This record gives sequence, C-alpha cells and structure tokens, in this order.
Amino acid sequence: GQNIDQPTEMTATEGAIVQINCTYQTSGFNGLFWYQQHAGEAPTFLSYNVLDGLEEKGRFSSFLSRSKGYSYLLLKELQMKDSASYLCAVSDSNYQLIWGAGTKLIIKP
Amino acid sequence: SAVISQKPSRDICQRGTSLTIQCQVDSQVTMMFWYRQQPGQSLTLIATANQGSEATYESGFVIDKFPISRPNLTFSTLTVSNMSPEDSSIYLCSVDPGPTGELFFGEGSRLTVL
Repeated sequence: GQNIDQPTEMTATEGAIVQINCTYQTSGFNGLFWYQQHAGEAPTFLSYNVLDGLEEKGRFSSFLSRSKGYSYLLLKELQMKDSASYLCAVSDSNYQLIWGAGTKLIIKP
Repeated sequence: SAVISQKPSRDICQRGTSLTIQCQVDSQVTMMFWYRQQPGQSLTLIATANQGSEATYESGFVIDKFPISRPNLTFSTLTVSNMSPEDSSIYLCSVDPGPTGELFFGEGSRLTVL
C-alpha cells in the first residue's frame, strides 16, 4: 500500500528552529508537497520538491531525498503565527496526491 | 493562482437530509477535486469533478451518496445525500491550475449532522 508518515505533534519555542520529517512509500513519485493548515482554515501551499536537495523560501525550507523516501520541512525564526498543522503530500505515478495525516506544530513563547 | 469561493461555509443538518455545496473559481481550470477532512485527520479525496462527464470517484465513495456536478470549467457542486452523523466533516473544493500540480483550496464547508 501507499503511506505517508509524519509526527502527530511537535512543540517548539518562538524564535527557534524546527524540522518536521515526512517519510513516504508510494507507487511512483512525481513530487512532494508541503501545505500549511491553520485551525479551521483550508490548506495553503508551502513548497514543492521533485528533485533531491534543499529548496529555500524565506524562513521555510524543504528537503527531499528520493532514494530514502524522505523529506523535511525546516522552519526558522519561529513566530507564533506558525502554529498550525503541516501536511506532507506525495504525487504518485498517476499524479494522485497521497496525504499524510499532518503534524500539529505548537509554538510556545 | 486561483481564488476559490465555497459555500456554505458551515451548516447544521438533520439526519436523512441532503446538502449541496457550491464551489466557484475565478478562472477556468481543468482539474477540480472534492476532499473530505474529518476532525483531526488529513485530507481524503472523494472524487475528481470532470467537466461535461461523470465524476471519477475514489474507493469508498459512490455517486448515489455524493453526486457531483461540473457544468463548466469554473463551477462545481457536491451533494452529501441522506446524511448521517458520520458525514459530519469539512468538505473542501480544490483546483489544480497547473503546471506544478500545486492545489488551491476553497475555504471549506463544515457540516454537522445531528
């Protein structure tokens, strides 16, 4: 079967750095997405990786290793507004998105 | 990018009734999807709404329960039929305007079935 694994919940301190991991096993691979979802709101796109390596976008960076079936989302200089769920999703061989259950990130002052 | 308007944003419904959710996009898009997100869980794809033909349903979802219309490239509806409390969830419309496969989501419709 296909599955995406990511931690259920993480806690970090304002101003610090946090890394959210995602491992996947899918039939084929056409890219990995990270989405942010604040409570009660729709998901919003953060990043897309299809090649190995690190993609940096402001305070957020996303890393991919296709050989290891592994990605992480790195958030720097954490702000209280970063408290949200972070969803990892993989596009499989049929370009269908397989979604992880999401990681709830709690930021403490 | 795409701006998606979804309504109703929330509703409380009685068991056995049906509710239709509307999704309007500000531009023509080929791919429109309907997702369900139950409390504390991730997204589950219900179906792909195809313009001019029947929707493509995922395993576990059937047309009789979740009829979908897609009359044009900017609009779709999802009906949740004969509702039961297990249908209480957030229903999300999303579009893929291409080319990276990034999805844009509507605000979601939160349904509570009593």
